[in-house]
Amino acid sequence: EAGVAQSPRYKIIEKRQSVAFWCNPISGHATLYWYQQILGQGPKLLIQFQNNGVVDDSQLPKDRFSAERLKGVDSTLKIQPAKLEDSAVYLCASSRQNLNTEAFFGQGTRLTVV
Amino acid sequence: AQSVTQLDSHVSVSEGTPVLLRCNYSSSYSPSLFWYVQHPNKGLQLLLKYTSAATLVKGINGFEAEFKKSETSFHLTKPSAHMSDAAEYFCVVRGGSGGGADGLTFGKGTHLIIQP
Repeated sequence: EAGVAQSPRYKIIEKRQSVAFWCNPISGHATLYWYQQILGQGPKLLIQFQNNGVVDDSQLPKDRFSAERLKGVDSTLKIQPAKLEDSAVYLCASSRQNLNTEAFFGQGTRLTVV
Repeated sequence: AQSVTQLDSHVSVSEGTPVLLRCNYSSSYSPSLFWYVQHPNKGLQLLLKYTSAATLVKGINGFEAEFKKSETSFHLTKPSAHMSDAAEYFCVVRGGSGGGADGLTFGKGTHLIIQP
């Protein structure tokens, strides 16, 4: 089966600019996650969707980050305005709606804010 | 709430010797536990998972892990290290916290170095 697709792979922007990332999960996966991985750290959950509804966005900096999954399939994550500390790899993952199943990760988008 | 502690940020072993990467977890619910590996500039790949079946779990590339509830541990082992095992390893817990939120919680990672 096709994996989780993310684009772009790399992005360089100046601080205070905006940026958007796109994710297409594995077909049939109801759950979609966005993670932020800062260099040298483990991924941190930003937001979790179940179909097109948000079930956990407790760690999403809502003053600058937003995400949507309008039709319950693909998703976008936006940052506006970006800060230097947003430089990280943004990972999208998807899974079936079952605690016993693993999540499958995309290659990620490496964001550099200068 | 759930959390994961990886006890070593770096582990260095010689090729052909055993590997032990240590992980302790905390979860209010019966957890599912995973080990993922991340090679440089590559995506996260699942090594193995524990989901309340057998406590000794076998994964890919000769890795295995043992779930010990009494010790709240899920250590990753491999009998003989190979150069291709050099990577970052993450211990991950997934547990329901109510309302459908069951995101994966990652440890900080263990960097495995293989000496020739």
